Amino acid sequence: GQNIDQPTEMTATEGAIVQINCTYQTSGFNGLFWYQQHAGEAPTFLSYNVLDGLEEKGRFSSFLSRSKGYSYLLLKELQMKDSASYLCAAMDSNYQLIWGAGTKLIIKP
Amino acid sequence: GAVVSQHPSRVICKSGTSVKIECRSLDFQATTMFWYRQFPKQSLMLMATSNEGSKATYEQGVEKDKFLINHASLTLSTLTVTSAHPEDSSFYICSASQGETSAYEQFFGPGTRLTVL
Repeated sequence: GQNIDQPTEMTATEGAIVQINCTYQTSGFNGLFWYQQHAGEAPTFLSYNVLDGLEEKGRFSSFLSRSKGYSYLLLKELQMKDSASYLCAAMDSNYQLIWGAGTKLIIKP
Repeated sequence: GAVVSQHPSRVICKSGTSVKIECRSLDFQATTMFWYRQFPKQSLMLMATSNEGSKATYEQGVEKDKFLINHASLTLSTLTVTSAHPEDSSFYICSASQGETSAYEQFFGPGTRLTVL
């Protein structure tokens, strides 16, 4: 079956760095998305990886290893506003998005 | 960037009534629109995919007669929850893309919080 695993909750300190991991199993693969979702709001797009390696975008970076079925989202210089859920979603061979349950990130001062 | 709006943002209704939720792409033509449902502390669950001018494709377990989807134009899709019951209370989110599948980036609407009393 198809499956996405990511931690349920993580806690980090303002100004620090945090890495949110995601492993996936899909029928075929057409890329890995990361979305940010604040409580009560819709998700907003953060990144898309389809090739192995690290994609950097400001304070946020996303990494993909297709052979390992593994991705991570790296957040640097954490700010209080980064407190949110981070959703990992993998696209299968039918171009369907398979969503993880999300990782709730709590930032402490 | 691409903007998707949803209306209403919040609705409370009595059990047995029908509720219509609108999803609009404001500055682009959305070939495909997606409807999701999200229960508290759970992931997004895709309900259906709709392409302009054709019938929606529903995910397994989603009743198409209960959740009516109309994609009348390239900028508007509607979801009607018919004869709503308390278990239909959820956060409904639409997204839109310019591709014919979810191969293209999805732009999400702000969501609609439905509470059925």
